[in-house]
Formats: sequence, C-alpha cells, structure tokens
Amino acid sequence: EVQLLESGGGLVQPGGSLRLSCAASGFPFNIFDMSWARQAPGKGLEWVSCFKGSGHYTYYADSVKGRFTISRDNTKNTLYLQMNSLTAEDTAVYYCAKGSAMDVWGQGTTVTVSS
Amino acid sequence: DVVMTQSPLSLPVTLGQPASISCRSSQSFVYSDGNIYLNWFHQRPGQSPRRLIYKVSNRDSGVPDRFSGSGSGTNFTLKISRVEAEDVGIYYCMQATHWPLTFGGGTKVEIK
Repeated sequence: EVQLLESGGGLVQPGGSLRLSCAASGFPFNIFDMSWARQAPGKGLEWVSCFKGSGHYTYYADSVKGRFTISRDNTKNTLYLQMNSLTAEDTAVYYCAKGSAMDVWGQGTTVTVSS
Repeated sequence: DVVMTQSPLSLPVTLGQPASISCRSSQSFVYSDGNIYLNWFHQRPGQSPRRLIYKVSNRDSGVPDRFSGSGSGTNFTLKISRVEAEDVGIYYCMQATHWPLTFGGGTKVEIK
C-alpha cells in the first residue's frame, strides 16, 4: 500500500524557516516524480513544487520560487521542502503527493506563520 | 500559466440525481506524448484530496463508476450519474501538462 507521511509543520515567525519531510513507502520512490501542494485556511488547492523522478529537474510555483527548495533522498525514500523567508501568506496545510499527476496524497502537515 | 476555471462554484444536488461540473482552461494543454493531463480530485471536509480521474476520462482504482470524466481542447466535465451522500465535498480539476501545474478554484457539492 502506498503511504505518504508528512512531518515538520508548526508555528514559525514571519521571516523564519521550516523544513517539511514526507516519508514514502509502498512504491519505488526513486523512479517517481514527487510533488508538494498546499491549502490555505478556507481556500482551494495550490500546487507548490515538483521534483522529477529522473533528471533531477525541479519546478516551483511563482509564489514560492527563490524561497522554497524541494529535495529528495532516495536512500531514505523521503521528500523535503525547505521553506525560507516565510510570510503569513504561506500559512497552509502542506501535502506531499506521488507523481506530478498526484495520484496519492499524504494527510498533510500544518504550517502557521505568525508573530 | 494555464488558468483553470470551474463552474459552478456551488452545486446543491438531490440524492440519486445526476451532477455535472465544468472545468475550462485558458489554453489547450496537450503534452508532447499526445496525452491531455487533466485530473479531477475530491476533497471531503477535513480530509486530504483524493484523485478520481486522470488523463481526462480514466477512473482511478476504487473510484465508483458513477463518476465519469470527459472533454477535449479547453472544456472538460466531471459527471456523477447518481449522487450519493458520500459524494459531498469539494471537487477540483487540475492540469498536469504545463509548468506551473494549476488547479481550478473548486466546486462545492452539497446535498439539498
């Protein structure tokens, strides 16, 4: 069974940093694209970033480009999202998902940016 | 960016009756392999999204056959043949062809 388990969320002050993790199991992690998406309170879904399974290409939404960095450790079957220079607009539930087509989602981890 | 526009915003439906959600894109998004990477997701209150449909019309494993997807070009539709109570929630379309990937704003389905 495919499982994705996010962690690392929490309360952070504006301008601060946070690193999210997504532990994957049940599929050959190293060959799949992996994505992050988020959902601000009461809002819709927003795609954030994707790390291709081959070629190490990465893609970002304009709203996070230059501040967030996606990475992966295929030896640990784990996806990461390093988030810097956080603002209140980054407050959201962050989900990781398998593939760029997002066929399986994790349960999400909540990030709150507030002073 | 490819803008995805859903309608209606809210859809009250009667149990057992059909429902239809529209998703229009600002441009066509046929990938170089000939596929249209248009997905539909369902999110129940308090839960993570679940993918229902991929590549316009393919149901994911375990998705009831009352759900169907169709469309081409810039117009796509998700249909529920007979709405059941478990179908409430918000439905999102998403294009996964061009970067950045983009979601529609969502359609809230509720029971009348």
